[in-house]
Amino acid sequence: DAGVIQSPRHEVTEMGQEVTLRCKPISGHDYLFWYRQTMMRGLELLIYFNNNVPIDDSGMPEDRFSAKMPNASFSTLKIQPSEPRDSAVYFCASSFGGYSDTQYFGPGTRLTVL
Amino acid sequence: GENVEQHPSTLSVQEGDSAVIKCTYSDSASNYFPWYKQELGKRPQLIIDIRSNVGEKKDQRIAVTLNKTAKHFSLHITETQPEDSAVYFCAANSGGSNYKLTFGKGTLLTVNP
Repeated sequence: DAGVIQSPRHEVTEMGQEVTLRCKPISGHDYLFWYRQTMMRGLELLIYFNNNVPIDDSGMPEDRFSAKMPNASFSTLKIQPSEPRDSAVYFCASSFGGYSDTQYFGPGTRLTVL
Repeated sequence: GENVEQHPSTLSVQEGDSAVIKCTYSDSASNYFPWYKQELGKRPQLIIDIRSNVGEKKDQRIAVTLNKTAKHFSLHITETQPEDSAVYFCAANSGGSNYKLTFGKGTLLTVNP
């Protein structure tokens, strides 16, 4: 299995632009998570899905952030409009569920907003 | 919500020595405590986890202990090697879900040859 796939790996954009981050979970996993990692705030859970349905979005910082999971093999995290303070590494992770709680992280997308 | 405190923030040891990282949590309902290792520029990877129905779990050179009464858990690495150098994160679940994790701020472990 290729593991969790994220694209792009790096994104540089200007303040005010729309940013879309993409994630493909491991096949067969029914949980998908979006995290943000910064030096100041550490690793934060933004939102997670179970069977394509958002379960908890309490970590989404504000209305500029939105996430969707249209099917079991694809999810997006969108920031519109982007701001410099959104600069971070965004990780997607997936989990099989059931008895196994292990979350497998993707390689991350490093976002820089100028 | 859950609050996870992790100490120390940095730890430097000599190769072959032991390393201990400690975490405390606030949600008494937490029952799942994973530890992740993140090498520089890489993704976090699970190295060991423990559930509240056990007090200790070992996997080769790595062990985790849990004290539910005191709400703290620790990671122990014995016979450290240079490849153990990384940032280690503890986490605890909250909200009644094994999947909603709150992470500590991380410990940068450096193992000097």
